[in-house]
Amino acid sequence: GAGVSQSPSNKVTEKGKDVELRCDPISGHTALYWYRQSLGQGLEFLIYFQGNSAPDKSGLPSDRFSAERTGGSVSTLTIQRTQQEDSAVYLCASKVSGISYEQYFGPGTRLTVT
Amino acid sequence: AQKVTQAQTEISVVEKEDVTLDCVYETRDTTYYLFWYKQPPSGELVFLIRRNSFDEQNEISGRYSWNFQKSTSSFNFTITASQVVDSAVYFCALSLYSSASKIIFGSGTRLSIRP
Repeated sequence: GAGVSQSPSNKVTEKGKDVELRCDPISGHTALYWYRQSLGQGLEFLIYFQGNSAPDKSGLPSDRFSAERTGGSVSTLTIQRTQQEDSAVYLCASKVSGISYEQYFGPGTRLTVT
Repeated sequence: AQKVTQAQTEISVVEKEDVTLDCVYETRDTTYYLFWYKQPPSGELVFLIRRNSFDEQNEISGRYSWNFQKSTSSFNFTITASQVVDSAVYFCALSLYSSASKIIFGSGTRLSIRP
């Protein structure tokens, strides 16, 4: 079956512009995560969605970052007024609800802010 | 505090050598799961194994084996007879019953297998 997909795969934008990153989770996965991975670094948690519950936004680094998940499926991560330090790979993962289940990761969106 | 520590930032070995990647975790929860993920150069993280806090049985899958020891809060990963295709970044992760949203990842170990 289809895995987690993300688009675009690469995005180059000018400092100050807004960008939208999209994640299509695996059908039936109620939990969805966004992470940021800077070059050669680990995974930085950004936000978590679980079903219709209020998202856990505790990892968003600033109010320039926001995310939504429509209809419990597709999610969009929006970065407003991008800065050079926002350059990173943004990873989306989805899973079945419950702590025992593994995450399935998408291929990521590589964002470069010039 | 909950934390996952992968003290080895980078490891480089020659093909066919055995190599062990260390993972030490901290939590006060009694119910939790531990995971290992592989991130090859292509970038997409792939799930390798899960282990729950009540099951300390070690596991072997082909050349891969995992040693879970609650007494030392460790969940180490050994690759036997390493191959160049094993070159990747490996992440250990902790999932807690008390906090479903927080899956805590270690900083990763970059493993390079030289031919």
